[in-house]
Amino acid sequence: QVQLQESGPGLVKPSQTLSLTCTVSGGSISSVNYYWSWIRQPAGKGLEWIGRVFTSASTNYNPSLKSRVTISVDTSKNQFSLRLTSVTAADTAVYYCARDGGWSGHGFDVWGQGTSITVSS
Amino acid sequence: QSVLTQPPSASGTPGQRVTISCSGSRSNIGRNYIYWYRQLPETAPKLLIYRDNERPSGVPDRFSGSKSGTSAFLAISGLRSEDEADYYCATWDDSLTGWVFGGGTKLTVL
Repeated sequence: QVQLQESGPGLVKPSQTLSLTCTVSGGSISSVNYYWSWIRQPAGKGLEWIGRVFTSASTNYNPSLKSRVTISVDTSKNQFSLRLTSVTAADTAVYYCARDGGWSGHGFDVWGQGTSITVSS
Repeated sequence: QSVLTQPPSASGTPGQRVTISCSGSRSNIGRNYIYWYRQLPETAPKLLIYRDNERPSGVPDRFSGSKSGTSAFLAISGLRSEDEADYYCATWDDSLTGWVFGGGTKLTVL
C-alpha cells in the first residue's frame, strides 16, 4: 500500500527557508486521482493545511501562507516538496505530508508519520 | 481561529453514545463533503469518515457521520476507552480555495 515519509532538517534558523521532502512509496505520485498535501500542527494545537500539488504541478495554497510557500513535485523521484520562506518561531510544528483525494472524495487517506521542525537560533 | 467550529472537549462513559459537532458555512460544509480524522497522542491523524458518512475499511460501524446544512456530526456509539483521542473535522472551502480544519475535539472516556 502507499506510504509517505517526510524528511527535513529538524532545526531551522529564524528568517531562513524551511525545505521538506515527502517520498511516496508503494504507488505513483503521477496518479491523476490524487493531490499531494502538506499539513502542519504546532505542539498542543490543531491541524493547519499548508497547500497541495497535483502531478501536473498545479498547486493550491492556504491564503494565510501563500506568500511564503512553494510546493513542487518531482515525478522522477516520486517525491513532492515544501518550501517555506522567512520562517519564524510561529512556524515551529510537526509537518505532515498526506495523500489528498481531491474531488474523488477520499480525503487525506494516507499520512506520513510527521517530522518535527523547530525554528530557533 | 479555525474556519470550522468544534467543541474543544467531549466526554462519555464506556458504552455511551457521544456526538461531536462541526459548524461551518455555505462555502465549506454547505457545499462540500465533510471528513473526520482521529489522532492519538504522538501519532499522525487517521481518516475516520469520508464523503460525509462513509467509513474506510477497518473503521468499525460504531463510528458514523452525518451532515445537515452547514453543520456536521460525528457519532461514536458503544464508547470504549481506546476511543480517547482528538477528533478533527475537515472540508474544502470554495471561498478560500483550500482545505479547512476544525480546531479539534478532545474526547475523554470517563
